[in-house]
Amino acid sequence: AQTVTQSQPEMSVQEAETVTLSCTYDTSENNYYLFWYKQPPSRQMILVIRQEAYKQQNATENRFSVNFQKAAKSFSLKISDSQLGDTAMYFCAFMKQSARQLTFGSGTQLTVLP
Amino acid sequence: GAVVSQHPSWVICKSGTSVKIECRSLDFQATTMFWYRQFPKQSLMLMATSNEGSKATYEQGVEKDKFLINHASLTLSTLTVTSAHPEDSSFYICSARDGRTSGVRAMINEQFFGPGTRLTVL
Repeated sequence: AQTVTQSQPEMSVQEAETVTLSCTYDTSENNYYLFWYKQPPSRQMILVIRQEAYKQQNATENRFSVNFQKAAKSFSLKISDSQLGDTAMYFCAFMKQSARQLTFGSGTQLTVLP
Repeated sequence: GAVVSQHPSWVICKSGTSVKIECRSLDFQATTMFWYRQFPKQSLMLMATSNEGSKATYEQGVEKDKFLINHASLTLSTLTVTSAHPEDSSFYICSARDGRTSGVRAMINEQFFGPGTRLTVL
């Protein structure tokens, strides 16, 4: 079974600063996908970024980028130029290639301070 | 594109009654839908996976007779909480996956999430 661990229950960052959210996972699979989802107060789940494990290049989406370390089974999210709208719960998630279910971490509540 | 709706957005019911929650994919065909449960300040816990036209697959510990899931069409899945009790109060979220594409792209098709339904059982 796969497990996803987010060791930071809460984090805060000043507006315009950079913050990194940590995520580690455990799996015996070689082919899988990793995701970061954002859940703002509205509770709508929003995909932030995804990474295919077979790709060595780290994924980037505008202000969001990941540091994917496959050997270390680490998948951190970096948010640059933080904005007030980035305040949300962030979930790291794992999906193995042979299945369609997502396994979520426990989440990190990020608060961007004005 | 890729919008998923849920209805109702919130519901209050009396203990012992049944409640039905609908999940619809509005602009794509959802071959697979997922139902999650989320307690306050906690993560999403997968309850079951439903494929159109077949029986749902429930996760360990989820009572299939209590949480009835029907996926009768490619755009609609329903979750019925039968004989609801206060401990069933929670936030229920569905997601849908467009499985029409094949090959590698199909494997990384993201799940599109509905806005959730807050259930309160009195």
